[in-house]
Amino acid sequence: GIQVEQSPPDLILQEGANSTLRCNFSDSVNNLQWFHQNPWGQLINLFYIPSGTKQNGRLSATTVATERYSLLYISSSQTTDSGVYFCAVKGWDSGGGADGLTFGKGTHLIIQP
Amino acid sequence: GAGVSQSPRYKVAKRGQDVALRCDPISGHVSLFWYQQALGQGPEFLTYFQNEAQLDKSGLPSDRFFAERPEGSVSTLKIQRTQQEDSAVYLCASSSGGQGNEQYFGPGTRLTVT
Repeated sequence: GIQVEQSPPDLILQEGANSTLRCNFSDSVNNLQWFHQNPWGQLINLFYIPSGTKQNGRLSATTVATERYSLLYISSSQTTDSGVYFCAVKGWDSGGGADGLTFGKGTHLIIQP
Repeated sequence: GAGVSQSPRYKVAKRGQDVALRCDPISGHVSLFWYQQALGQGPEFLTYFQNEAQLDKSGLPSDRFFAERPEGSVSTLKIQRTQQEDSAVYLCASSSGGQGNEQYFGPGTRLTVT
């Protein structure tokens, strides 16, 4: 099945810093989503971005589908940005476990005041 | 409500008991997914419904796991004869179209088997 690698696994920054999180995937995708998992375990949708560039406030994301990677940018970090960021993808196959999203292991982000 | 809801939020079961976990998807969403998230890991796909049809159940870890969505709306994930390794957070997600559409997740049910 499709493989997803996220980097870095851990990131500690001071409040106000900028950060870039990376997601590499092994095959063509028809779905790519970025999530923030808050301390209570809720997965919060950040971007649905199988290709192209999107921006939402201090967050933006770019997916270069032909090169099989996506980047999540966080600018002017705040302590509330802390948590785990997941990239999840779905390839074009169906059945045999391929119908759901495949998640990376996540980036654990800590923003210190 | 507007989002995906799950109940119960927490469940403690003794080893060998049966449990049933409920998911209410976003109204009108045809696709429904179940995932299992172990501590410190990303969620892993279990099964997928399109309306009432279970189209993919290859992620279910054993025949003790069973899911249904009889009327194409609410879904139940049932685990029979629970084992300690079943302890995890069980997440439900729904989407408005097929598997390629954006998925929205519920808050999860944290299952602890003692």
